[in-house]
Amino acid sequence: KAGVTQTPRYLIKTRGQQVTLSCSPISGHRSVSWYQQTPGQGLQFLFEYFSETQRNKGNFPGRFSGRQFSNSRSEMNVSTLELGDSALYLCASKTGGSYEQYFGPGTRLTVT
Amino acid sequence: AQSVTQLGSHVSVSEGALVLLRCNYSSSVPPYLFWYVQYPNQGLQLLLKYTTGATLVKGINGFEAEFKKSETSFHLTKPSAHMSDAAEYFCAVSPAFDRGSTLGRLYFGRGTQLTVWP
Repeated sequence: KAGVTQTPRYLIKTRGQQVTLSCSPISGHRSVSWYQQTPGQGLQFLFEYFSETQRNKGNFPGRFSGRQFSNSRSEMNVSTLELGDSALYLCASKTGGSYEQYFGPGTRLTVT
Repeated sequence: AQSVTQLGSHVSVSEGALVLLRCNYSSSVPPYLFWYVQYPNQGLQLLLKYTTGATLVKGINGFEAEFKKSETSFHLTKPSAHMSDAAEYFCAVSPAFDRGSTLGRLYFGRGTQLTVWP
């Protein structure tokens, strides 16, 4: 089975711009979660989607949003980028009934 | 709220030596427990998990961990370190009973960077 894929792998944006990141889960996995990883804050939960519905959201401002499509693929959007949004964004997928999550390689976002 | 503490942000061992990475959690109900490894410029790879059953769990690459409820710990060990084990290791928990805001999320420790000397 193919693993979780994320595109693009690297991205450079300017402050004030917006960005969309994409995640394709493992086949058959209907839950997709997003995490932000920074040296200062570590790994922080952004949100989780299951069957196209956001089930849970972390403590991030409304500039961070996401969605999930009927094929379970997910996108994450960040509007009005700030320097502090520079991070590795990780996507993880799991089946609906399990607890272990499988991570993609991440998208490295740099905001200048 | 869930919290995870990894004692020691950096651990150094010689090749062939025992690896011990410590993890303690704070939860009123024993959660599900995981160890992940992250190599440079990569995502997280699941090493092992504890959900129910035997408290000593074996994972990939020769790692194992023991869940000790009385100590709220889930330490990761490997009898003999290899150069390829050098990476960052993360302990994570997931609530065993979903409570709205905890549904589907992992809580991570701050990570332990493992260095293996030849």
